[in-house]
Amino acid sequence: EVQLVESGGGLVQPGGSLRLSCAASGFTVSNYYMSWVRQAPGKGLEWVSMFYSTTSTYYADSVRGRFTISRDNSINTLYLQMNSLRADDTAVYYCARGRFGFDFWGPGTLVTVSS
Amino acid sequence: EIVLTQSPGTLSLSPGERATLSCRASQSVSYNYLAWYQQKPGHTPRLFIYDASSRATGIPDRFSGSGSGADFTLTISRLEPEDSAVYYCQQYNTSPWTFGQGTKVEIK
Repeated sequence: EVQLVESGGGLVQPGGSLRLSCAASGFTVSNYYMSWVRQAPGKGLEWVSMFYSTTSTYYADSVRGRFTISRDNSINTLYLQMNSLRADDTAVYYCARGRFGFDFWGPGTLVTVSS
Repeated sequence: EIVLTQSPGTLSLSPGERATLSCRASQSVSYNYLAWYQQKPGHTPRLFIYDASSRATGIPDRFSGSGSGADFTLTISRLEPEDSAVYYCQQYNTSPWTFGQGTKVEIK
């Protein structure tokens, strides 16, 4: 059974950093494109970043230069390092599998940026 | 960036009625690389349609997707109470991958 479980969210002050993790089971992350998608409270979905290989990473303009996506194949886990966090980064962050439609999603982890 | 505009914002219909949701792109979406997702309150989004018209695993056949170029449609042929949700379109033709703002379907 395919499962994705995010962790690492929490309350952080503006300018701070967090690292989100997405542990995958039931499939091998290195064989798939993997993304982070976020949803601010009461708002719609916003794609954040996608990873396929170290030379094939993509970012939304809103996070480029502040967020870094990576993967550890040995533990089948996707990461999102988030630096210089701002209030408008407050959202539930989901990891999702796929390139041609996101076919599996994790339950999400909440990131709150506030002083 | 391809901007997706969904309409209407909210659709309020009775069980058994037909729902038609629109997704218009600011430029052509090549290869019909467009998906539709359903999200219920407090739940994770679920892939319903990919490649504009292919149903994802387990999706009932009362849901259908159509369209090409810059105009796409999600049709729910006979609404059921459990179809109450927000539906998002998403293009995956060009980075950044973008979502529409969503259409809320309410069942009277």
